[in-house]
Amino acid sequence: AQSVTQLDSQVPVFEEAPVELRCNYSSSVSVYLFWYVQYPNQGLQLLLKYLSGSTLVESINGFEAEFNKSQTSFHLRKPSVHISDTAEYFCAVIQYSSASKIIFGSGTRLSIRP
Amino acid sequence: DAGVIQSPRHEVTEMGQEVTLRCKPISGHNSLFWYRQTMMRGLELLIYFNNNVPIDDSGMPEDRFSAKMPNASFSTLKIQPSEPRDSAVYFCASSPPASGSEQFFGPGTRLTVL
Repeated sequence: AQSVTQLDSQVPVFEEAPVELRCNYSSSVSVYLFWYVQYPNQGLQLLLKYLSGSTLVESINGFEAEFNKSQTSFHLRKPSVHISDTAEYFCAVIQYSSASKIIFGSGTRLSIRP
Repeated sequence: DAGVIQSPRHEVTEMGQEVTLRCKPISGHNSLFWYRQTMMRGLELLIYFNNNVPIDDSGMPEDRFSAKMPNASFSTLKIQPSEPRDSAVYFCASSPPASGSEQFFGPGTRLTVL
């Protein structure tokens, strides 16, 4: 069975500091990988995704994630965070074979201190 | 596009009452998902439909919960009778047919059962 692990439930950082949110997955088959962001009192929205090709993917607001097949990881990074990045971040996977069903991690709450 | 539409946005009811949550997916999407989110349990997949057919309802907590999708543009999640532990934010999401497609989330319905 596939699973997604986000070890850090909360990550506090200072504004303009770098951040890394960790995500590891387990699956017996190839997967698609996603990061979703949930701002306060809103639904989840896609931040970035890896389907194929370059293992480094970027979002429009400066986040990036790198697919590492050997380590089964898809960590999310940003070199300099802003107050507006305060949100909960969810890593997720879809198996090639499952077509629709997505498995979410437990989420990491990113809090930015001024 | 209006995105995924959920109604009501907020619902307050008394224990024992029937609650019906509604969802209109994005036009052209053929998969629909119902999630529940609480502080204690995080984000849980309750059920998902593909082409209006329930594919996996293993996340439905108990017989008090039921979901229907009578056509491609409408789905309901019903709780009868409701209990205080059902208090949560319920999200509906939809996704298009293509493999590896992201899910688009609605704004959620915040349910409070007194």
